[in-house]
Amino acid sequence: DAGVTQSPTHLIKTRGQQVTLRCSPISGHKSVSWYQQVLGQGPQFIFQYYEKEERGRGNFPDRFSARQFPNYSSELNVNALLLGDSALYLCASSAGGGQANTEAFFGQGTRLTVV
Amino acid sequence: SQQGEEDPQALSIQEGENATMNCSYKTSINNLQWYRQNSGRGLVHLILIRSNEREKHSGRLRVTLDTSKKSSSLLITASRAADTASYFCATGDTGRRALTFGSGTRLQVQP
Repeated sequence: DAGVTQSPTHLIKTRGQQVTLRCSPISGHKSVSWYQQVLGQGPQFIFQYYEKEERGRGNFPDRFSARQFPNYSSELNVNALLLGDSALYLCASSAGGGQANTEAFFGQGTRLTVV
Repeated sequence: SQQGEEDPQALSIQEGENATMNCSYKTSINNLQWYRQNSGRGLVHLILIRSNEREKHSGRLRVTLDTSKKSSSLLITASRAADTASYFCATGDTGRRALTFGSGTRLQVQP
């Protein structure tokens, strides 16, 4: 069975540009969450979606947005990129309504570099 | 913001030795989970311990939880070079659906 897949694996963007990151959860999983991991730190929660509805949002500016599609895949969009948005973006899926109470399965991440 | 802190931030041991990592957190939790991350890539779930449990084992891993002290420890016995990675604790609390991660312990196992 395929695990959580994320695309692209690496991305270089210029300040002010917009970026879209994609995630496909494990088959049967309806919950997808996005995390940002800056070098040397632990992942920080950005969004959680369950059954195509936003169920949680972390402390990130409105430049960050996401959505979940009928097939439970998800996209994370970041507008007006800043140098500080450079990070590893991780997608996690779980079978239940949130990762907080069950095992979460993470993708390999998208490494975003803003120059 | 980070929920808590892992201690130590970095740990270097020889193969065959045991490695102990500690995690402290701040709020009431439903459970605490440990994850491993190799070379800045995806996280791999290791073990979940619920707030009403005090100790849990999985293979060479032993996790303890002390809710009165808001702390947890991860013990890896008979370490191997392949255990070299960063280890994160993550808490799930009653108010959030997402995990809150600590800052991690970087473990280096020398062959």
